[in-house]
Amino acid sequence: NAGVTQTPKFQVLKTGQSMTLQCAQDMNHEYMSWYRQDPGMGLRLIHYSVGAGITDQGEVPNGYNVSRSTTEDFPLRLLSAAPSQTSVYFCASSEAAASYEQYFGPGTRLTVT
Amino acid sequence: DAKTTQPNSMESNEEEPVHLPCNHSTISGTDYIHWYRQLPSQGPEYVIHGLTSNVNNRMASLAIAEDRKSSTLILHRATLRDAAVYYCILRDVDNNDMRFGAGTRLTVKP
Repeated sequence: NAGVTQTPKFQVLKTGQSMTLQCAQDMNHEYMSWYRQDPGMGLRLIHYSVGAGITDQGEVPNGYNVSRSTTEDFPLRLLSAAPSQTSVYFCASSEAAASYEQYFGPGTRLTVT
Repeated sequence: DAKTTQPNSMESNEEEPVHLPCNHSTISGTDYIHWYRQLPSQGPEYVIHGLTSNVNNRMASLAIAEDRKSSTLILHRATLRDAAVYYCILRDVDNNDMRFGAGTRLTVKP
């Protein structure tokens, strides 16, 4: 199993540009989530999904969209990038229950200038 | 949502045990207590989790207070590779999301 994969690893955007961060998992996990981590801080939950076709907002959803058309993929869209969205983005997946561990991807480092 | 409180930082000597505390006084009866750690420039890594009883695995032990308002992650023999930020998180059974706090930065001295 590849586990949780994220692409790209690094990205530089100009203010106002849009882009999609890709996340895929091959463990047939129902639950997937996106976090951002600013320098020296803990992770903050952006959006999560408990299954295909179901998404919900986390702590910091503004400026981001998600969709879950398949179990495997959970892309994160930045609609109009802002410097405040400069961060490292982590995707995670798990079985859909609180008793299970989450598996995290390696992260995407995004810089918005 | 229930929150956790951890010390900002702790130090340990190599090959000695480390006890990392976490307070979660507003925990609900169905919240699971999860511990993750994050090594520099990496994504978080699962360490251990539990509900009511103490738990052991190859990485660590988790001691949960009888009233569940606090827990302690125990690394039995710290190594230099254990230097990381350790996060104590409550996972909600209703929506399964996990909210990270600031964590405890563990430094291991040789």
